[in-house]
Amino acid sequence: AQSVTQLDSHVSVSEGTPVLLRCNYSSSYSPSLFWYVQHPNKGLQLLLKYTSAATLVKGINGFEAEFKKSETSFHLTKPSAHMSDAAEYFCVVTLPGYSSASKIIFGSGTRLSIRP
Amino acid sequence: DTGVSQNPRHKITKRGQNVTFRCDPISEHNRLYWYRQTLGQGPEFLTYFQNEAQLEKSRLLSDRFSAERPKGSFSTLEIQRTEQGDSAMYLCASSLTDRPYEQYFGPGTRLTVT
Repeated sequence: AQSVTQLDSHVSVSEGTPVLLRCNYSSSYSPSLFWYVQHPNKGLQLLLKYTSAATLVKGINGFEAEFKKSETSFHLTKPSAHMSDAAEYFCVVTLPGYSSASKIIFGSGTRLSIRP
Repeated sequence: DTGVSQNPRHKITKRGQNVTFRCDPISEHNRLYWYRQTLGQGPEFLTYFQNEAQLEKSRLLSDRFSAERPKGSFSTLEIQRTEQGDSAMYLCASSLTDRPYEQYFGPGTRLTVT
């Protein structure tokens, strides 16, 4: 069975410093992994996805994530935080293929705060 | 704006009342999904449609919940005899059939049952 664990419920960084949001997954199969961002009063937005191609994935707004099979991790990083990055971030794991939409598993989320 | 829209954005209702939410997906998307999100948690899958056919329902979807997508375009989610435990954000998303994990989400409907 798949599961996803976001190791920090809240991360606070200063503007201009690096961001690291941690995600570990458990999957019996080769997973597809995603990061979504949710700004207040807005819908979830896909940041980036890993689907068994390059292990370093670049997303929107300067975010990237690296798939590390040996560590079962898919941490989200950004070199320099911006005030507009303050939001809730969700790591998502799923089986490849599209036979079952219920196999999309969201983590519990990490709230990112940016200090001026 | 051609994104996913949901109405209403907020709904306050008394326990025992029925409520209905609407979702308008991106027009070319065949798949439409409903999720529920409670405070401090990620979204949980409820059900999804491929065009007008409801293909899968989660065990979270009790008999009091029903969803429709009659013409394969917009969808409605109805909750009958609401309970306080139904208070949550109800999210709708849509996708192309061959990209089911690239889902585009609406802003959600926040339901408060008093």
